[in-house]
Amino acid sequence: AQSVTQLDSQVPVFEEAPVELRCNYSSSVSVYLFWYVQYPNQGLQLLLKYLSGSTLVKGINGFEAEFNKSQTSFHLRKPSVHISDTAEYFCAVSDVMDSNYQLIWGAGTKLIIKP
Amino acid sequence: NAGVTQTPKFQVLKTGQSMTLQCAQDMNHEYMSWYRQDPGMGLRLIHYSVGAGITDQGEVPNGYNVSRSTTEDFPLRLLSAAPSQTSVYFCASSASRDRGNTIYFGEGSWLTVV
Repeated sequence: AQSVTQLDSQVPVFEEAPVELRCNYSSSVSVYLFWYVQYPNQGLQLLLKYLSGSTLVKGINGFEAEFNKSQTSFHLRKPSVHISDTAEYFCAVSDVMDSNYQLIWGAGTKLIIKP
Repeated sequence: NAGVTQTPKFQVLKTGQSMTLQCAQDMNHEYMSWYRQDPGMGLRLIHYSVGAGITDQGEVPNGYNVSRSTTEDFPLRLLSAAPSQTSVYFCASSASRDRGNTIYFGEGSWLTVV
């Protein structure tokens, strides 16, 4: 069964520094990949998604992620973070051939921006 | 833009009590779902619906009931609350079950069972 690992539960980073949030999934079958962001006391919202095509996916708020099939990873990056990026970030994956259309979620990574 | 609206935002229940979490969406979405979010565990699917009159179980359905009498509404009922149901609950909707569709989430309901 598919599983998702977000390797860091918290990532502290100084404002204007670059950041990478790591996401690995277990199975190398064809997958759809997602990053969602949850700002404090709010619901989740889509940051970006990979369905097919270019392995470099650009999302909102200057974030991008790269799909690496050989390493079964979908790491999220931003070249320069802002205090407003303080949030929890969730990676999710779904097997393309899963007839149950199941979406498997990672445990989340809290991005902490230090001024 | 209302999107997905869920109520109440906060609730404290005693063990054994029942309650209903309300969820409504105004985007005419076919697919609606309920998740629970627990620390260190990500989101887990409780129940989902692919249209009015159709519901099905997700990963953790025990202790919860749902119904979908209209396209807009998808309430979640806790039948007899237990401390293990202390969690944050999110209602979500998307145009269809197709995973390529964006999922829209409500702002969450914080439930504590004592």
